[in-house]
Amino acid sequence: GQNIDQPTEMTATEGAIVQINCTYQTSGFNGLFWYQQHAGEAPTFLSYNVLDGLEEKGRFSSFLSRSKGYSYLLLKELQMKDSASYLCAVFNTNAGKSTFGDGTTLTVKP
Amino acid sequence: DVKVTQSSRYLVKRTGEKVFLECVQDMDHENMFWYRQDPGLGLRLIYFSYDVKMKEKGDIPEGYSVSREKKERFSLILESASTNQTSMYLCASIAAGTDSSPLHFGNGTRLTVT
Repeated sequence: GQNIDQPTEMTATEGAIVQINCTYQTSGFNGLFWYQQHAGEAPTFLSYNVLDGLEEKGRFSSFLSRSKGYSYLLLKELQMKDSASYLCAVFNTNAGKSTFGDGTTLTVKP
Repeated sequence: DVKVTQSSRYLVKRTGEKVFLECVQDMDHENMFWYRQDPGLGLRLIYFSYDVKMKEKGDIPEGYSVSREKKERFSLILESASTNQTSMYLCASIAAGTDSSPLHFGNGTRLTVT
C-alpha cells in the first residue's frame, strides 16, 4: 500500500525558517519530489531527492532518509509569497507513477 | 518549456451529462496522467497512459474512462456526471524513462456538477 503523511497546516513568520516533514510507507521507491502549489494554480516542481542527504536550491532545501522513510522541505528567509501548499510525492518506477501526500498549507504572516 | 494545456478552466455540468476533459502537451511526452484534487484529500490518480491507445487505472478510476488516440492528447471522460465528481482535475505529463524529471501539470479544470 501507499501511505504518505504530511502536516495539514503550518504557520510561520516572514523572515523565519520553516521545516515541512513528510513520512512515507510505499511499496516502491525511486525518488521523492516536492511541489509548490499556490491557490488556484497548478503544482510546480521544487526539488527531487533520490539519495540520502540534503539537496540545496537557494532558499529551499530538501532532505531524504530512505531507511527512515522520511523527508523534509526547509524554507529559509520566508517571504509572503511562500504562502502556498507544499506537496510531497513518492515516485515508483515500476508502477510508473507518483503518489502524493495530502499537502501542507503554509501561511506566512508578517 | 513544456506546455500542458487543459481545454477549459471552469466547467459547469448537470448530473447525468457526459463530460469530456481535454489535455494536450507539446513535448512529445509518452506518459500522461489525470488527477483530481479535493480539499484534505490531496492529488489522487484517476488514470494514466504510457503510450497511444494504452491506459492504466489509477487509484480512483470508478466513474471515469480515458482516451489516448494521439500521443499529445489525453482525454478524461465522465460517462454520467455525478455531484461527487465536482472537483479540480489536473492533467500532467512526463517523458518515459526519466525518473528524476518532475511532472508537468496543466492549469487545471474546475468542474462543478449540479
